[in-house]
Amino acid sequence: GAGVSQSPRYKVAKRGQDVALRCDPISGHVSLFWYQQALGQGPEFLTYFQNEAQLDKSGLPSDRFFAERPEGSVSTLKIQRTQQEDSAVYLCASSQGRQETQYFGPGTRLLVL
Amino acid sequence: SQQGEEDPQALSIQEGENATMNCSYKTSINNLQWYRQNSGRGLVHLILIRSNEREKHSGRLRVTLDTSKKSSSLLITASRAADTASYFCATALRTSGTYKYIFGTGTRLKVLA
Repeated sequence: GAGVSQSPRYKVAKRGQDVALRCDPISGHVSLFWYQQALGQGPEFLTYFQNEAQLDKSGLPSDRFFAERPEGSVSTLKIQRTQQEDSAVYLCASSQGRQETQYFGPGTRLLVL
Repeated sequence: SQQGEEDPQALSIQEGENATMNCSYKTSINNLQWYRQNSGRGLVHLILIRSNEREKHSGRLRVTLDTSKKSSSLLITASRAADTASYFCATALRTSGTYKYIFGTGTRLKVLA
């Protein structure tokens, strides 16, 4: 079956613009995670959904970051008024359960100029 | 902040040699996972080891877990050029009734043909 997909793969934004990043998890996966990965670093946890419920958003760096998963499937990570420090790769992962293997998408590389 | 620390940060070996990477973490965990990331791509799951397990094998991979020392190691035997990638450990931490994964800083492995 299809894996996790993310779009767009690359996004260039001017400072101050809003961006929306999409994640299509594996069908039937209950858990969905968003991570931010800076160059040369490991992924940093942003937020976690169980179905449509956002159970943990402790990793979101500021109130400019907002994530949703309204129907328990596709998720969108929105960044308002982007700043240069938001430049990173944003990874989405899904799993069948909270502690099971996570399957990652290819990521969206965001560059804020 | 990242909970895991991989050691070494970078490793360069000849094809056919074994590669050993270590991961240390700070708090109690439910499981630990190892992932591989090729340059510019998403993460690929390698092995999950639960806190009540001490060793696990998958093909040329061998993972050990020592919960008393809060450490894990990943051994890749008979390495190949295709094993060149960054390797990350991730620990599942229980937080506020749910779980989130904390990734380490990664080991960059280069296998020379």
